[in-house]
Amino acid sequence: EVQLQQSGPELQRPGASVKLSCKASGYTFTEYYMYWVKQRPKQSLELIGRIDPEDGSTDYVEKFKNKATLTADTSSNTAYMQLSSLTSEDTATYFCASGTEGFDYWGQGVMVTVSS
Amino acid sequence: DIQMTQSPSFLSASVGERVTLSCKASQNINKYLDWYQQKLGEAPKLLIYNTNNLHTGIPSRFSGSGSGTDYTLTISSLQPEDVATYFCLQRNSWPTFGAGTKLELK
Repeated sequence: EVQLQQSGPELQRPGASVKLSCKASGYTFTEYYMYWVKQRPKQSLELIGRIDPEDGSTDYVEKFKNKATLTADTSSNTAYMQLSSLTSEDTATYFCASGTEGFDYWGQGVMVTVSS
Repeated sequence: DIQMTQSPSFLSASVGERVTLSCKASQNINKYLDWYQQKLGEAPKLLIYNTNNLHTGIPSRFSGSGSGTDYTLTISSLQPEDVATYFCLQRNSWPTFGAGTKLELK
């Protein structure tokens, strides 16, 4: 069974950084891109970027280029996203997602709250 | 970037009713259009990929159609468990989501 298991909820102060994880199991980690998606409360889904776990190459949506950094560790089948210089605008649920045709597989999501 | 416009934003329908949701792309997306269902507090779930291909385990009351810039998700007979928000996603170029249609029971 394919699973994407994400790390737990985060409460961070403005200006801080946070690193989220997404551990993949049940498939070959290097076979598919891993995407990261942002969802602010009661809003739509917003793609942040993607990483090719095979070679570590990344693509980012322009607005997230100075906000998010994607990495992947093939030894542990885990993808990471670091968010820097957090503001209230970063308060959201973040999902990792992967798959062949479409985003077949999703993590459960991790809520990041930025508050002083 | 390709813009995706979903309509309606909100839909109220009765159990057993046929429901149609629409998604319009700002340019031709060559049928690279997926539909996702998101229930409250859960991750999105893939329903249909590449316009009309039912994902594994998805009930046959869900179907998709379309071409060019206009696409449709149809639920042939609405069930209570279908209450959710539905998003379309285009993958013809860098993926972009629609704003969603919230479906509730009348």
